[in-house]
Amino acid sequence: DSGVTQTPKHLITATGQRVTLRCSPRSGDLSVYWYQQSLDQGLQFLIHYYNGEERAKGNILERFSAQQFPDLHSELNLSSLELGDSALYFCASSGGQGWTEAFFGQGTRLTVV
Amino acid sequence: KNQVEQSPQSLIILEGKNCTLQCNYTVSPFSNLRWYKQDTGRGPVSLTIMTFSENTKSNGRYTATLDADTKQSSLHITASQLSDSASYICVVSASAGGGNKLTFGTGTQLKVEL
Repeated sequence: DSGVTQTPKHLITATGQRVTLRCSPRSGDLSVYWYQQSLDQGLQFLIHYYNGEERAKGNILERFSAQQFPDLHSELNLSSLELGDSALYFCASSGGQGWTEAFFGQGTRLTVV
Repeated sequence: KNQVEQSPQSLIILEGKNCTLQCNYTVSPFSNLRWYKQDTGRGPVSLTIMTFSENTKSNGRYTATLDADTKQSSLHITASQLSDSASYICVVSASAGGGNKLTFGTGTQLKVEL
């Protein structure tokens, strides 16, 4: 158990809908990263938050947004869903400056039908 | 632009054999390099981490090397087992104010067969 909790584990929804994925980082970790992993693809970096502030953006679509709350949990919002958004969405957390390790959650499997 | 490239993209070996996976990176300023193992449908799990001053680090049958001059790392797996079948991901961390920045390789898909 990495200490990073993602909910829900599985999500099936229709095209055009909106979903919210939740990530609770390890206790004390300030950084949260979101990644998308499509079938047979590598991890694609979406966005990084540190202590509530957006730090870096990757290949995140405009239909996607995220935020990190004061209690450090994070949510990834996916809207106007398309079939191609079906993927595993991982959250990882790490400590602040100088920290050397990121821990991954078990992921949320999103299926858009 | 920070990049991490891994090779080979995929690899099939027989159980009991050894193999070596490669990772080349252009990440600056370098902080550390970590190898992750990702089983299908699961989150990546850290195997080993290496900082600038470390050349070799072992974790059971896994041995990672780092050449900071050439910006290359390798992961050597000895006496492979069926359970080693997974994706192996190289992740390089760059020092950044207020938090580290991670760059992921696309992984090497390893399959161990009987």
